[in-house]
Amino acid sequence: QKEVEQDPGPLSVPEGAIVSLNCTYSNSAFQYFMWYRQYSRKGPELLMYTYSSGNKEDGRFTAQVDKSSKYISLFIRDSQPSDSATYLCAMSLRDSGGSNYKLTFGKGTLLTVNP
Amino acid sequence: SQTIHQWPATLVQPVGSPLSLECTVEGTSNPNLYWYRQAAGRGLQLLFYSVGIGQISSEVPQNLSASRPQDRQFILSSKKLLLSDSGFYLCAWSYSYNSPLHFGNGTRLTVT
Repeated sequence: QKEVEQDPGPLSVPEGAIVSLNCTYSNSAFQYFMWYRQYSRKGPELLMYTYSSGNKEDGRFTAQVDKSSKYISLFIRDSQPSDSATYLCAMSLRDSGGSNYKLTFGKGTLLTVNP
Repeated sequence: SQTIHQWPATLVQPVGSPLSLECTVEGTSNPNLYWYRQAAGRGLQLLFYSVGIGQISSEVPQNLSASRPQDRQFILSSKKLLLSDSGFYLCAWSYSYNSPLHFGNGTRLTVT
């Protein structure tokens, strides 16, 4: 079982739709959760960062973490064509030695928002 | 504010040639620095990370090496490129181990 699973899509939605992107994970030791947006031929850009279960909102974006079920979600409200990109989830945990954090990325979901 | 610069944006190199990719960070001191490779369908692979000048940790044994000659400079090198070294190379920085990474815009390397 892979540590982090993310549906690669592609996901295509009309402008204005609510988008739901999800990742599941197998290691309950993950402590910090992130979502990145990556435009074609660019580096990933941090969208959301959270470390607790529940929801965190930032503008049109809401990150949701459910540690009991081991999944995280990113919701995009009122989606725009400019939201078309690949979305990567990432999560980290402290390694067994206690001196380092291991960061694991999902493989990304390609989203297209059609005008 | 902090910024990260990575160059060149694209590079085409013949097999067996050397490689040097450079990354610099502005606006912060003593950052953690990282080199990742992103291959289609394989996600982001951590290659090297550094917590300070001259301190390099390698995650994947391969044909590449990294150096950190200055606090905010990170260099990825190879003496002889292989076809399998082709990919999208990303430099990133963070404040500390448990803070999120901030990426540069990457270098697309094609080895021919």
